[in-house]
Amino acid sequence: GAGVSQSPSNKVTEKGKDVELRCDPISGHTALYWYRQSLGQGLEFLIYFQGNSAPDKSGLPSDRFSAERTGGSVSTLTIQRTQQEDSAVYLCASTTGGPYTGELFFGEGSRLTVL
Amino acid sequence: AQSVSQHNHHVILSEAASLELGCNYSYGGTVNLFWYVQYPGQHLQLLLKYFSGDPLVKGIKGFEAEFIKSKFSFNLRKPSVQWSDTAEYFCAVTPAYSSNTGKLIFGQGTTLQVKP
Repeated sequence: GAGVSQSPSNKVTEKGKDVELRCDPISGHTALYWYRQSLGQGLEFLIYFQGNSAPDKSGLPSDRFSAERTGGSVSTLTIQRTQQEDSAVYLCASTTGGPYTGELFFGEGSRLTVL
Repeated sequence: AQSVSQHNHHVILSEAASLELGCNYSYGGTVNLFWYVQYPGQHLQLLLKYFSGDPLVKGIKGFEAEFIKSKFSFNLRKPSVQWSDTAEYFCAVTPAYSSNTGKLIFGQGTTLQVKP
């Protein structure tokens, strides 16, 4: 497809389990972002990848969260030992450059529920 | 730390009413500013953006926003709302020049409900 693709669209897991969320950005987009959307909290920045530069991880809430981007394309967000407060919609976005050059294109999100 | 504040969390209007959603940011340098919209069941999409030039910018669907540098504000406006404008609106800001990151910071969002 032409848009940002995220999987799974819904994930229910038990507290303490690890989860992986996947993002396929738009082909050719060099920048990729992960955000977390919680009710009443807006969009919380998690991590940003730009080309081959070191990612900006300043938004990751704890060391249980990590992300990688392989081959400058697909990205995986991993949450280890999930907690109930991790329940949220995780959004991925991509763009051709940084946000100062253009708009972000968002995926539909992965809704994570931790029981 | 940079932050974006949207003062109105939930706004209810009747069709044809005028809309203004507030947005203030804390970054002191040159910024690029955005409004994004999320319609029910859809993904976030860009409504309008400001990089430089005329501080009054026009976006899709009759929306406009005015950048007032002295007030660190970028309020969204529409003269006459429609039922189809029911959505969640997010203001976002990023430094125009950053040596390390292109991080885009979003506000908490404003839910707009337009009654037919």
